[in-house]
Amino acid sequence: QKEVEQDPGPLSVPEGAIVSLNCTYSNSAFQYFMWYRQYSRKGPELLMYTYSSGNKEDGRFTAQVDKSSKYISLFIRDSQPSDSATYLCAMRRIQGAQKLVFGQGTRLTINP
Amino acid sequence: NAGVTQTPKFQVLKTGQSMTLQCAQDMNHEYMSWYRQDPGMGLRLIHYSVGAGITDQGEVPNGYNVSRSTTEDFPLRLLSAAPSQTSVYFCASSYSSLSRPNYGYTFGSGTRLTVV
Repeated sequence: QKEVEQDPGPLSVPEGAIVSLNCTYSNSAFQYFMWYRQYSRKGPELLMYTYSSGNKEDGRFTAQVDKSSKYISLFIRDSQPSDSATYLCAMRRIQGAQKLVFGQGTRLTINP
Repeated sequence: NAGVTQTPKFQVLKTGQSMTLQCAQDMNHEYMSWYRQDPGMGLRLIHYSVGAGITDQGEVPNGYNVSRSTTEDFPLRLLSAAPSQTSVYFCASSYSSLSRPNYGYTFGSGTRLTVV
Protein backbone atom coordinates (compact mmCIF):
# COMPACT_ATOMS: atom_id res chain seq x y z
CA GLN A 1 0.00 0.00 0.00
CA LYS A 2 1.31 3.44 -0.90
CA GLU A 3 1.83 5.93 1.91
CA VAL A 4 -0.14 8.57 0.00
CA GLU A 5 -3.07 7.78 -2.31
CA GLN A 6 -4.48 10.22 -4.83
CA ASP A 7 -7.00 9.59 -7.58
CA PRO A 8 -5.17 10.31 -10.85
CA GLY A 9 -8.35 11.34 -12.67
CA PRO A 10 -8.57 12.81 -15.23
CA LEU A 11 -11.11 15.27 -13.88
CA SER A 12 -12.95 17.59 -16.27
CA VAL A 13 -15.32 20.34 -15.06
CA PRO A 14 -16.93 23.45 -16.59
CA GLU A 15 -15.54 26.90 -15.93
CA GLY A 16 -16.88 28.40 -12.71
CA ALA A 17 -17.42 25.06 -10.97
CA ILE A 18 -16.10 24.22 -7.52
CA VAL A 19 -13.37 21.61 -7.72
CA SER A 20 -12.50 19.20 -4.93
CA LEU A 21 -9.21 17.30 -4.99
CA ASN A 22 -8.34 14.77 -2.30
CA CYS A 23 -5.60 12.59 -0.87
CA THR A 24 -5.53 9.96 1.83
CA TYR A 25 -2.46 8.82 3.70
CA SER A 26 -1.51 6.04 6.05
CA ASN A 27 1.40 7.44 8.10
CA SER A 28 0.19 9.30 11.21
CA ALA A 29 3.65 10.89 11.57
CA PHE A 30 2.96 13.27 8.68
CA GLN A 31 2.55 16.81 9.99
CA TYR A 32 3.18 19.12 7.02
CA PHE A 33 0.83 18.96 4.06
CA MET A 34 1.28 20.63 0.71
CA TRP A 35 -0.36 21.01 -2.65
CA TYR A 36 1.67 21.49 -5.79
CA ARG A 37 0.43 22.54 -9.21
CA GLN A 38 2.20 21.28 -12.32
CA TYR A 39 1.49 22.66 -15.75
CA SER A 40 2.23 20.50 -18.76
CA ARG A 41 5.97 20.06 -19.39
CA LYS A 42 6.86 22.19 -16.35
CA GLY A 43 8.17 21.49 -12.86
CA PRO A 44 5.75 21.39 -9.90
CA GLU A 45 5.25 24.66 -8.04
CA LEU A 46 4.12 25.02 -4.45
CA LEU A 47 0.50 26.16 -4.26
CA MET A 48 -0.39 25.86 -0.57
CA TYR A 49 0.89 24.29 2.61
CA THR A 50 -0.65 23.63 6.01
CA TYR A 51 0.67 22.38 9.30
CA SER A 52 -1.30 19.76 11.23
CA SER A 53 -5.11 19.91 11.04
CA GLY A 54 -7.36 22.73 9.95
CA ASN A 55 -8.17 24.94 7.00
CA LYS A 56 -6.14 27.47 5.09
CA GLU A 57 -7.51 29.84 2.48
CA ASP A 58 -5.66 31.74 -0.25
CA GLY A 59 -7.86 33.52 -2.76
CA ARG A 60 -9.90 30.94 -4.64
CA PHE A 61 -8.01 28.04 -3.05
CA THR A 62 -8.75 26.34 0.28
CA ALA A 63 -6.69 23.53 1.78
CA GLN A 64 -8.18 21.28 4.46
CA VAL A 65 -6.46 18.71 6.64
CA ASP A 66 -8.33 16.12 8.71
CA LYS A 67 -5.68 14.20 10.62
CA SER A 68 -8.20 12.01 12.42
CA SER A 69 -9.32 10.63 9.05
CA LYS A 70 -5.87 10.94 7.41
CA TYR A 71 -7.49 12.92 4.63
CA ILE A 72 -6.54 16.18 2.95
CA SER A 73 -8.43 18.25 0.38
CA LEU A 74 -7.89 21.17 -1.96
CA PHE A 75 -10.92 23.18 -3.07
CA ILE A 76 -10.86 25.55 -6.02
CA ARG A 77 -13.72 28.05 -6.24
CA ASP A 78 -14.80 29.78 -9.44
CA SER A 79 -12.48 27.55 -11.45
CA GLN A 80 -10.77 29.06 -14.49
CA PRO A 81 -9.29 27.47 -17.63
CA SER A 82 -5.89 28.63 -16.33
CA ASP A 83 -6.37 26.22 -13.39
CA SER A 84 -6.04 23.30 -15.82
CA ALA A 85 -3.00 21.39 -14.57
CA THR A 86 -1.96 18.36 -12.57
CA TYR A 87 -2.32 18.82 -8.81
CA LEU A 88 -0.07 16.82 -6.50
CA CYS A 89 -0.48 16.46 -2.78
CA ALA A 90 2.66 16.02 -0.69
CA MET A 91 3.44 15.55 2.96
CA ARG A 92 6.30 15.02 5.37
CA ARG A 93 7.16 14.29 8.98
CA ILE A 94 8.02 17.03 11.42
CA GLN A 95 11.47 15.65 12.18
CA GLY A 96 14.28 14.27 10.12
CA ALA A 97 15.21 15.15 6.57
CA GLN A 98 12.97 17.26 4.37
CA LYS A 99 11.80 14.26 2.37
CA LEU A 100 8.41 14.78 0.85
CA VAL A 101 6.12 11.91 -0.10
CA PHE A 102 3.94 12.74 -3.10
CA GLY A 103 0.60 11.49 -4.30
CA GLN A 104 0.24 10.38 -7.92
CA GLY A 105 -1.26 13.69 -8.99
CA THR A 106 -4.74 14.46 -10.36
CA ARG A 107 -5.00 15.83 -13.90
CA LEU A 108 -7.61 18.59 -13.95
CA THR A 109 -9.15 20.27 -17.01
CA ILE A 110 -11.42 23.31 -16.74
CA ASN A 111 -13.57 23.66 -19.85
CA PRO A 112 -14.52 27.20 -21.01
CA ASN B 1 16.14 34.81 -11.62
CA ALA B 2 16.93 32.75 -8.55
CA GLY B 3 15.88 29.17 -8.68
CA VAL B 4 16.85 25.64 -9.64
CA THR B 5 18.51 25.15 -13.02
CA GLN B 6 18.58 21.76 -14.70
CA THR B 7 20.54 20.84 -17.80
CA PRO B 8 20.04 19.42 -20.33
CA LYS B 9 16.30 19.81 -20.95
CA PHE B 10 16.18 16.84 -23.33
CA GLN B 11 18.49 13.87 -23.86
CA VAL B 12 18.43 10.64 -25.87
CA LEU B 13 20.82 7.90 -24.79
CA LYS B 14 21.62 4.48 -26.10
CA THR B 15 21.40 1.52 -23.74
CA GLY B 16 24.63 1.19 -21.77
CA GLN B 17 25.74 4.80 -22.15
CA SER B 18 26.44 6.93 -19.12
CA MET B 19 25.63 10.57 -18.54
CA THR B 20 25.28 13.23 -15.86
CA LEU B 21 22.21 15.35 -15.29
CA GLN B 22 23.17 18.71 -13.84
CA CYS B 23 21.31 20.60 -11.12
CA ALA B 24 22.30 23.94 -9.61
CA GLN B 25 20.51 26.26 -7.19
CA ASP B 26 21.40 29.77 -6.09
CA MET B 27 19.15 30.09 -3.03
CA ASN B 28 21.64 28.68 -0.50
CA HIS B 29 19.31 25.76 0.16
CA GLU B 30 20.78 23.00 2.30
CA TYR B 31 18.48 20.25 1.06
CA MET B 32 18.53 18.98 -2.53
CA SER B 33 16.90 15.97 -4.10
CA TRP B 34 16.29 14.14 -7.36
CA TYR B 35 12.91 12.72 -8.39
CA ARG B 36 11.76 10.85 -11.43
CA GLN B 37 8.22 11.22 -12.73
CA ASP B 38 6.55 8.47 -14.70
CA PRO B 39 2.92 8.18 -15.88
CA GLY B 40 0.78 6.64 -13.17
CA MET B 41 3.66 6.57 -10.69
CA GLY B 42 3.86 10.15 -9.50
CA LEU B 43 7.14 11.58 -8.22
CA ARG B 44 9.56 9.03 -6.80
CA LEU B 45 12.63 10.02 -4.80
CA ILE B 46 15.95 8.79 -6.21
CA HIS B 47 18.60 10.39 -3.97
CA TYR B 48 18.76 13.34 -1.63
CA SER B 49 21.30 15.45 0.24
CA VAL B 50 20.98 17.45 3.46
CA GLY B 51 24.19 19.38 2.86
CA ALA B 52 27.55 19.38 1.13
CA GLY B 53 29.28 16.03 1.51
CA ILE B 54 26.13 14.23 2.72
CA THR B 55 23.94 12.12 0.45
CA ASP B 56 21.47 9.30 0.97
CA GLN B 57 19.28 6.98 -1.04
CA GLY B 58 15.63 7.48 -1.71
CA GLU B 59 12.94 5.12 -2.93
CA VAL B 60 14.45 4.15 -6.31
CA PRO B 61 18.26 4.62 -6.16
CA ASN B 62 19.44 1.67 -8.28
CA GLY B 63 21.34 2.68 -11.39
CA TYR B 64 21.99 6.22 -10.19
CA ASN B 65 24.82 7.91 -8.31
CA VAL B 66 25.02 11.35 -6.73
CA SER B 67 27.59 13.54 -5.03
CA ARG B 68 27.37 16.92 -3.30
CA SER B 69 30.72 18.70 -3.23
CA THR B 70 29.19 22.20 -2.96
CA THR B 71 25.97 23.64 -1.57
CA GLU B 72 24.92 24.80 -5.03
CA ASP B 73 25.35 21.68 -7.18
CA PHE B 74 23.84 18.21 -7.02
CA PRO B 75 24.54 16.18 -10.19
CA LEU B 76 22.82 12.86 -10.92
CA ARG B 77 24.84 10.23 -12.76
CA LEU B 78 23.38 7.38 -14.77
CA LEU B 79 26.00 4.66 -14.74
CA SER B 80 24.77 2.43 -17.58
CA ALA B 81 21.50 3.66 -19.05
CA ALA B 82 18.60 1.23 -19.44
CA PRO B 83 15.22 1.72 -21.18
CA SER B 84 13.57 1.53 -17.73
CA GLN B 85 15.29 4.84 -16.92
CA THR B 86 13.30 6.64 -19.59
CA SER B 87 11.54 9.29 -17.55
CA VAL B 88 11.31 12.96 -16.65
CA TYR B 89 13.81 13.89 -13.95
CA PHE B 90 13.28 16.75 -11.52
CA CYS B 91 15.73 18.32 -9.15
CA ALA B 92 14.31 20.12 -6.10
CA SER B 93 15.77 22.12 -3.23
CA SER B 94 14.65 23.66 0.04
CA TYR B 95 15.87 24.97 3.36
CA SER B 96 16.29 22.16 5.83
CA SER B 97 16.23 24.06 9.10
CA LEU B 98 12.98 23.80 11.03
CA SER B 99 13.47 27.39 12.15
CA ARG B 100 12.84 28.64 8.63
CA PRO B 101 9.17 28.97 7.65
CA ASN B 102 9.67 27.31 4.30
CA TYR B 103 8.21 23.89 3.98
CA GLY B 104 8.09 23.67 0.25
CA TYR B 105 10.46 22.61 -2.46
CA THR B 106 11.56 24.66 -5.42
CA PHE B 107 11.66 22.46 -8.49
CA GLY B 108 13.67 22.76 -11.65
CA SER B 109 11.99 22.57 -15.04
CA GLY B 110 13.01 18.95 -15.58
CA THR B 111 15.11 16.82 -17.92
CA ARG B 112 13.29 14.55 -20.36
CA LEU B 113 15.43 11.46 -20.85
CA THR B 114 14.81 8.73 -23.41
CA VAL B 115 16.90 5.57 -23.42
CA VAL B 116 16.72 3.54 -26.63
